[in-house]
Amino acid sequence: AQSVTQLGSHVSVSEGALVLLRCNYSSSVPPYLFWYVQYPNQGLQLLLKYTSAATLVKGINGFEAEFKKSETSFHLTKPSAHMSDAAEYFCAVTGSGNTGKLIFGQGTTLQVKP
Amino acid sequence: DAGVIQSPRHEVTEMGQEVTLRCKPISGHNSLFWYRQTMMRGLELLIYFNNNVPIDDSGMPEDRFSAKMPNASFSTLKIQPSEPRDSAVYFCASRPAGGGSYNSPLHFGNGTRLTVT
Repeated sequence: AQSVTQLGSHVSVSEGALVLLRCNYSSSVPPYLFWYVQYPNQGLQLLLKYTSAATLVKGINGFEAEFKKSETSFHLTKPSAHMSDAAEYFCAVTGSGNTGKLIFGQGTTLQVKP
Repeated sequence: DAGVIQSPRHEVTEMGQEVTLRCKPISGHNSLFWYRQTMMRGLELLIYFNNNVPIDDSGMPEDRFSAKMPNASFSTLKIQPSEPRDSAVYFCASRPAGGGSYNSPLHFGNGTRLTVT
């Protein structure tokens, strides 16, 4: 079975500071990994995805994530936080075998302070 | 592209009543997923379909929940009878099916917020 663990349910940063949201995965097969963002009262939107090409993946809104197989990690970063980045962020991994089931982490709420 | 469309956006019902949530996936997407989101349990996959066929329903909580996909453009999630613990936001998502599609992202609707009193 595959799983995702997001370390820290709440992260608070100041505007302009580095954003780091942590995600570790467990998978017995090469994983596909995703980061999604959810704004209040909306569905989830894709930020970026890793699909076994480049290990450093760039996404929308200045976010990027690096796949590190040795650490089984896929942490999300942004050099400089904006107030508009305040939202909930989810890391996800495809399910086991070839079912294509997408498993989500518990989510991390990002607060950006002025 | 209209995106994934869910209805209703909000549903308030009394315990014991039947609730039906509806979803229209993106045209051309052959995989459809139903998720439930709560503060306590996060995002849980309830069931998903490929080409209108249920592939994995292991996340369906109990027999009170049922889902159907009668055609490629419509799916329903029904709860009968509803209970207060079913209160949550229910999301529908779709994705193209077929080889290599597992690295394609899911497209989510805006969800249905269900409150059972």
